[in-house]
Amino acid sequence: DTEVTQTPKHLVMGMTNKKSLKCEQHMGHRAMYWYKQKAKKPPELMFVYSYEKLSINESVPSRFSPECPNSSLLNLHLHALQPEDSALYLCASSQAGSSGSLDTGELFFGEGSRLTVL
Amino acid sequence: AQSVAQPEDQVNVAEGNPLTVKCTYSVSGNPYLFWYVQYPNRGLQFLLKYITGDNLVKGSYGFEAEFNKSQTSFHLKKPSALVSDSALYFCAVRDKDNYGQNFVFGPGTRLSVLP
Repeated sequence: DTEVTQTPKHLVMGMTNKKSLKCEQHMGHRAMYWYKQKAKKPPELMFVYSYEKLSINESVPSRFSPECPNSSLLNLHLHALQPEDSALYLCASSQAGSSGSLDTGELFFGEGSRLTVL
Repeated sequence: AQSVAQPEDQVNVAEGNPLTVKCTYSVSGNPYLFWYVQYPNRGLQFLLKYITGDNLVKGSYGFEAEFNKSQTSFHLKKPSALVSDSALYFCAVRDKDNYGQNFVFGPGTRLSVLP
């Protein structure tokens, strides 16, 4: 059983809708990640939060807006998406290194949110 | 930037036979390497990792991997394959830039275990 919970599991939205994906972990991890995965492809990194601050944005279009309200929660706000944004969106967490040190731990993944944009 | 390659898109093996899924890496300095498995419409499950120490790493579900520095490889192995091992397998590396936060996956290898 995964300790990273993602909701909703499935989401269908139109190109003019605004929706959000949510992710929650209670392992005390201080790094949280959003990945996008297309069918039969590897996950592609979108965003990383470390200690609730955005530390990596992999040139993701502004129609995707991440938010980390606290150390346990991670949201991905969606607005004006395109059909090509349809994919499995995966959230993950890791312990994170202490300030200034390297994170060497594994990522713990949620089951993902399957997004379909019509 | 650090990267991993998985030279085989697909590996087929008969149930009960040993299996190997290959991974090679390109990193500067010491690598931090990982293996994950993904079943259809599911998230990724962690199998094992190499950070330092013994070159033979044992992980979940009977899987193990051998770190070979001279060949820059980190192949995943299992002595006796099960049909239930059929899945998509990803090798991954932590990029040391950004304090290791950039966690990069290889392209994946689909393993089919035939009964």
